Amino acid sequence: GEDVEQSLFLSVREGDSSVINCTYTDSSSTYLYWYKQEPGAGLQLLTYIFSNMDMKQDQRLTVLLNKKDKHLSLRIADTQTGDSAIYFCAEAGSGNTGKLIFGQGTTLQVKP
Amino acid sequence: EAGVVQSPRYKIIEKKQPVAFWCNPISGHNTLYWYLQNLGQGPELLIRYENEEAVDDSQLPKDRFSAERLKGVDSTLKIQPAELGDSAVYLCASSPRPAHEQFFGPGTRLTVL
Repeated sequence: GEDVEQSLFLSVREGDSSVINCTYTDSSSTYLYWYKQEPGAGLQLLTYIFSNMDMKQDQRLTVLLNKKDKHLSLRIADTQTGDSAIYFCAEAGSGNTGKLIFGQGTTLQVKP
Repeated sequence: EAGVVQSPRYKIIEKKQPVAFWCNPISGHNTLYWYLQNLGQGPELLIRYENEEAVDDSQLPKDRFSAERLKGVDSTLKIQPAELGDSAVYLCASSPRPAHEQFFGPGTRLTVL
């Protein structure tokens, strides 16, 4: 079945780069997403990548996709304390229905 | 543009009581989703609507959960009766069409005592 796995916790110093990793199982996924969730808030879409791409850059965010290994990563350059949140990786399930399969989330802690 | 609106933001009830959550999607978004998010987990889809039609409710526990989206705009999710294990955050999301980016509301945090 469809499954998405993430590491649970990452701690970095302000100004460093953060790399959050994700693996997924559904090779037919067309889109892969990164969402950010701050305490008490809903999920905010950060970026997404189409499955025929291997990299996408958007300001401080860089997404790398390795389809062969079914591995997705999110790199945040110059990490700030405001980046502290939970980051969710999600794949669009097969069948182009819009159903998202989420990982369990990675808590990013940014120390000043 | 207003985002997805959910109410209430917090709800505390005793087990066996009924509870209802309301969602107003972004104007013009035909697709509406209800997700369940347990503590420390990612959201899991409960039901997806295309306009007023529930097109995927395979994960909705139909013995106690029900949902409706009258007129294809606002939606209500109901639990009757609530159980202790239903304590979670219930998220609503909408998108302009299927397989398009989803916009999430702030969620309703339910505590069942």
